[in-house]
Amino acid sequence: EVQLVESGGGLVTPGGSLRLSCAASGFTFSGYTLNWVRQGPGKGLEWVSSITGGSDYIYYADSVKGRFTISRDNAKNSLYLQMSSLRAEDTAVYYCVRDRSGSYYDNWGQGTPVTVSS
Amino acid sequence: DIQMTQSPSTLSASVGDRVTITCRASQSISTWLAWYQQKPGKAPKLLIYKASSLESGVPSRFSGSGSGTEFTLTISSLQPDDFATYYCQQYNSYSTFGGGTKVEIK
Repeated sequence: EVQLVESGGGLVTPGGSLRLSCAASGFTFSGYTLNWVRQGPGKGLEWVSSITGGSDYIYYADSVKGRFTISRDNAKNSLYLQMSSLRAEDTAVYYCVRDRSGSYYDNWGQGTPVTVSS
Repeated sequence: DIQMTQSPSTLSASVGDRVTITCRASQSISTWLAWYQQKPGKAPKLLIYKASSLESGVPSRFSGSGSGTEFTLTISSLQPDDFATYYCQQYNSYSTFGGGTKVEIK
């Protein structure tokens, strides 16, 4: 069974930093592109970032480019999102999501909440 | 960037109703479209991919159609478990979601 378990969310002040982690199991981790997708309170879904299996290709939404860094450790079956210069508008539940064939999302974690507030 | 517009934003329906949700893309995305269902406090769940392919384990009352810029998700006979919010997603160029359609009890 595919499992994606996020951690690292919490309350942070504007301008601060936070590192999210996602522990994966139940599939060949290095064989899949992984993503972070977020959902603001009462809002829709927003793709944040993607990283291919071998970390060859990395992509970011314009809203986070230059502030967020996605990475993965295939030896540890783990995905990360380093977030810096956080803004109030980054407040959201952040989901770790597996990508099927570099396209749609077939497995989602339960999400970790991030609140940016003073 | 490709924009995705869903309609309606809210839909009131009864158990047994046939429900149709529309998703329009700002430019052609061929059939690179997926549909998800999300219930409160839960992660989204994949229903349909490549516009009309049903994900394994998803009830056959769900179906998708369309190509180019206009797509529909149809629930043939609404069940109590189907009251939720539905999102479309294009994956022709990066990834963009529609704003969502909440299906509520009439």
